[in-house]
Amino acid sequence: LAKTTQPISMDSYEGQEVNITCSHNNIATNDYITWYQQFPSQGPRFIIQGYKTKVTNEVASLFIPADRKSSTLSLPRVSLSDTAVYYCLVGDMGSNYQLIWGAGTKLIIKP
Amino acid sequence: NAGVTQTPKFQVLKTGQSMTLQCAQDMNHNSMYWYRQDPGMGLRLIYYSASEGTTDKGEVPNGYNVSRLNKREFSLRLESAAPSQTSVYFCASSEITSGHYNEQFFGPGTRLTVL
Repeated sequence: LAKTTQPISMDSYEGQEVNITCSHNNIATNDYITWYQQFPSQGPRFIIQGYKTKVTNEVASLFIPADRKSSTLSLPRVSLSDTAVYYCLVGDMGSNYQLIWGAGTKLIIKP
Repeated sequence: NAGVTQTPKFQVLKTGQSMTLQCAQDMNHNSMYWYRQDPGMGLRLIYYSASEGTTDKGEVPNGYNVSRLNKREFSLRLESAAPSQTSVYFCASSEITSGHYNEQFFGPGTRLTVL
């Protein structure tokens, strides 16, 4: 099962671009990389998913280098409402559908 | 669409009591999951159901049982609650296409305290 490593916490300011990097050295060939956002007292919410290179949607971009051993979630022009915990998951389908959730990155946006 | 719903939202049990957490989804997803989340931690998978009629153990299945009642509903049962099971429990559902898992949709959680 692929394990991930993320910074425990990060601070930034409103209007800045925030990049959160996740390390996943033992990613398998078929694994996808997925990021979730979680606010206090709520379930996680999907942000973005990718396999390689760059993926962009209306809220974020995901950069994955050619070796796929890391990935970077980019949040453009953050606001106070982006303060949350962000989780990087690497899917290991194998013979089951288990996903290992790390402790996540607590992002605090300051005014 | 309500998405994923869970009942109850809060529950307090005494050690040794039993209870069932209910989960339902209206997105016609094949796969459903039960997670627990302890303070300051990520989610840990308890059980999952890849499709109706199948269930499998996750990372931390001890002390729990599940039932996939139909495609919509997936329940989690604690037969004899222990203080170590104090946690927030999340149910989720997703679709799997061509061996690739899609995004999981989560319910609002059940906050369980075992005294």
